[in-house]
Amino acid sequence: KAGVTQTPRYLIKTRGQQVTLSCSPISGHRSVSWYQQTPGQGLQFLFEYFSETQRNKGNFPGRFSGRQFSNSRSEMNVSTLELGDSALYLCASSFNSLVNEQYFGPGTRLTVT
Amino acid sequence: GENVEQHPSTLSVQEGDSAVIKCTYSDSASNYFPWYKQELGKGPQLIIDIRSNVGEKKDQRIAVTLNKTAKHFSLHITETQPEDSAVYFCAADSARQLTFGSGTQLTVLP
Repeated sequence: KAGVTQTPRYLIKTRGQQVTLSCSPISGHRSVSWYQQTPGQGLQFLFEYFSETQRNKGNFPGRFSGRQFSNSRSEMNVSTLELGDSALYLCASSFNSLVNEQYFGPGTRLTVT
Repeated sequence: GENVEQHPSTLSVQEGDSAVIKCTYSDSASNYFPWYKQELGKGPQLIIDIRSNVGEKKDQRIAVTLNKTAKHFSLHITETQPEDSAVYFCAADSARQLTFGSGTQLTVLP
């Protein structure tokens, strides 16, 4: 069974630009969660999607948004990028909920200059 | 919201020795406590989890204990091997979110 895939793996953007990251969950998994990982703040929950609906959202500004498609693939978007948005963005999928076994992808390394 | 504290931040052990990582949490309603291992350049990997109706769970060399009264849980790795070297994260659920500890860099010395 293929694991969680994320594209692109690396990205360099300039302040003020926007970015879209993509995540393909494990086949059959309907829950997709996104996390931001930085050396200073650690691993922080962004949001969870299930059946195309955002089920929960962490404490991030509205510049961070996401969506999920009918095939469970998910995208997250960050608008008006700031230097502090530089981070590893991780996607995780689970069968039905993030409070069950989650499988993480390798992440997208975003650098904002 | 939930607050998860993890100790120690770094841990070095000799190959074959045991390693113990401890976490405390603040939300008494938390019910799910996973542990993840993250190797360099990879995403976290679930290694073991425990729910609040269980006090201990074991999987080969790895075990997790949970004390709900004291609100702390621990990861125990026995007979450590060099491939156990990685960053380990604990987490706890609260309000349908996972809150993670700050991580422990485990180094197993050959």
